[in-house]
Amino acid sequence: ETGVTQTPRHLVMGMTNKKSLKCEQHLGHNAMYWYKQSAKKPLELMFVYSLEERVENNSVPSRFSPECPNSSHLFLHLHTLQPEDSALYLCASSQDWDPLEKLFFGSGTQLSVL
Amino acid sequence: AQTVTQSQPEMSVQEAETVTLSCTYDTSESDYYLFWYKQPPSRQMILVIRQEAYKQQNATENRFSVNFQKAAKSFSLKISDSQLGDAAMYFCALYSGGGADGLTFGKGTHLIIQP
Repeated sequence: ETGVTQTPRHLVMGMTNKKSLKCEQHLGHNAMYWYKQSAKKPLELMFVYSLEERVENNSVPSRFSPECPNSSHLFLHLHTLQPEDSALYLCASSQDWDPLEKLFFGSGTQLSVL
Repeated sequence: AQTVTQSQPEMSVQEAETVTLSCTYDTSESDYYLFWYKQPPSRQMILVIRQEAYKQQNATENRFSVNFQKAAKSFSLKISDSQLGDAAMYFCALYSGGGADGLTFGKGTHLIIQP
């Protein structure tokens, strides 16, 4: 266990549904990340939060909405997704917002959009 | 834009043997860092090893070592005495500045360990 917990582990949703992914870290880290892992594509950074403030947003469609209520929790709210959004969504944390810091990853949420 | 290329989608090795996973990269920066991450079936990515570009000495972590060829922009991972628990996806990554967006991953190599 890396100290980063993601729920749910699997999620199937229709294009009109609204759902949320949850990430929780028990490491006392200050930075949290959302990554998207699609089949046969490199890992893509979506959002970065440092001390609960968003510091990076990689031109992600507005149908993905992140929320960081405190330094231990990170959410990804999903609405009106497309089938091409089906992927593994990984949450990660690090001590500070610095890519040189070791990233601790969760087990991901495998999302299927029908 | 920087790139990371892993040309081997899948590799297979006998248990206790040695295997080398390839990674090449491209960046215009002179100061950068390279990483190998492992993603086992549990899906949690774990940092295996890290190399600073300014260091000539190859990084080593127990059975894992790298062959860093800066001029060739090559960063291969050698796993010695392969164990069943080494079976996973391995991702090469490069960071050359620019915040979290500057961390670029390769597409990964699926390593199979034959008992």
